[in-house]
Amino acid sequence: DAKTTQPTSMDCAEGRAANLPCNHSTISGNEYVYWYRQIHSQGPQYIIHGLKNNETNEMASLIITEDRKSSTLILPHATLRDTAVYYCIVRVMDSNYQLIWGAGTKLIIKP
Amino acid sequence: NAGVTQTPKFQVLKTGQSMTLQCAQDMNHEYMSWYRQDPGMGLRLIHYSVGAGITDQGEVPNGYNVSRSTTEDFPLRLLSAAPSQTSVYFCASSYLQGSSPLHFGNGTRLTVT
Repeated sequence: DAKTTQPTSMDCAEGRAANLPCNHSTISGNEYVYWYRQIHSQGPQYIIHGLKNNETNEMASLIITEDRKSSTLILPHATLRDTAVYYCIVRVMDSNYQLIWGAGTKLIIKP
Repeated sequence: NAGVTQTPKFQVLKTGQSMTLQCAQDMNHEYMSWYRQDPGMGLRLIHYSVGAGITDQGEVPNGYNVSRSTTEDFPLRLLSAAPSQTSVYFCASSYLQGSSPLHFGNGTRLTVT
């Protein structure tokens, strides 16, 4: 079973910030939260990850709540090319390194 | 630096045929893995490897074999293809240290008739 819960789909206007929520209420202390996206069934593209602190890179920001039970991916200025399925995933840092994938959020950026 | 390279991009097999999906990475990653993705769903782990000579099963290993003779290559073998193996297959790799993210190839689209 997926360890994360995401909305099935979301819309966002081009140029606005896209905020994608994710619930991971059963997350353990050593599990990282990763975000990937998949465009047109290409290989998943890594966006950002974090353990408990907020993170920012050139693509996005990741806000993790203090209790770590939920997080939000922020795309600050969405473009049409950001239309994709976004996956929020937790990963246990053991020898398996398995990622448990859910169905993700289909984000549609509208002109 | 090509990243993760998968071949072929597309393949059609008849039931019972065998084939090997190729995966190569040039980033010296210790960890490599194979996933399958069915329509509208997330990825499911088939097999993985944490280094040359070491492989292990993931969530859905039945019908697939792997080997890891070098750090760079991690081929996936279908011994006797079945229609249920129609899917998109992704190979991914990463460093083992720290929280290194997975890097994915662009996939192999397999149809078994």
